[in-house]
Amino acid sequence: NAGVTQTPKFRILKIGQSMTLQCTQDMNHNYMYWYRQDPGMGLKLIYYSVGAGITDKGEVPNGYNVSRSTTEDFPLRLELAAPSQTSVYFCASSSTGSNQPQHFGDGTRLSIL
Amino acid sequence: DQQVKQNSPSLSVQEGRISILNCDYTNSMFDYFLWYKKYPAEGPTFLISISSIKDKNEDGRFTVFLNKSAKHLSLHIVPSQPGDSAVYFCAALSSGGSNYKLTFGKGTLLTVNP
Repeated sequence: NAGVTQTPKFRILKIGQSMTLQCTQDMNHNYMYWYRQDPGMGLKLIYYSVGAGITDKGEVPNGYNVSRSTTEDFPLRLELAAPSQTSVYFCASSSTGSNQPQHFGDGTRLSIL
Repeated sequence: DQQVKQNSPSLSVQEGRISILNCDYTNSMFDYFLWYKKYPAEGPTFLISISSIKDKNEDGRFTVFLNKSAKHLSLHIVPSQPGDSAVYFCAALSSGGSNYKLTFGKGTLLTVNP
């Protein structure tokens, strides 16, 4: 039962570097989401996708990009990393319907120094 | 501008007693509410949900109550167990949209003492 898998679990970047956070799910869910959680705060939505080829911005999209070429994968790209992007990033997926809960990965802890 | 508020950052209870976690919301469009539980170094795990057409939903030791007029919901855990110690997030969505985006509160750290 893999569910939602995120890689890497930890990463340290230098300011200005770029990286891609990987997320894959094996539940055939149409909906996928990226959140960030800052210390003492709730999760904030960065981007989401309602199906392959369809993505849209969430609450805090600046500095990030996403793509959704397959149902399973939803990578999050950081371009020109900044200290403000130091956070824990969570990927989630759900099937169609408001009563279908989102299933989360275990997160990627990212530090920008 | 927080649309989902959990005003208690932490709560400590004795094993066997009731834990009550509270959540308030401001957006009248929210009509589906969820509670997630999060252990350190893990992702949030879905716990229980409630639709706005109900005022109570129960699942084992967990019960969620919804007071729409007060825009308030609460999670009751009875009896509390040490394994319940975690951060609990309240989340809400408007089912009228097609994207099911969740808005989360900041979370409440529950500690259940043996």
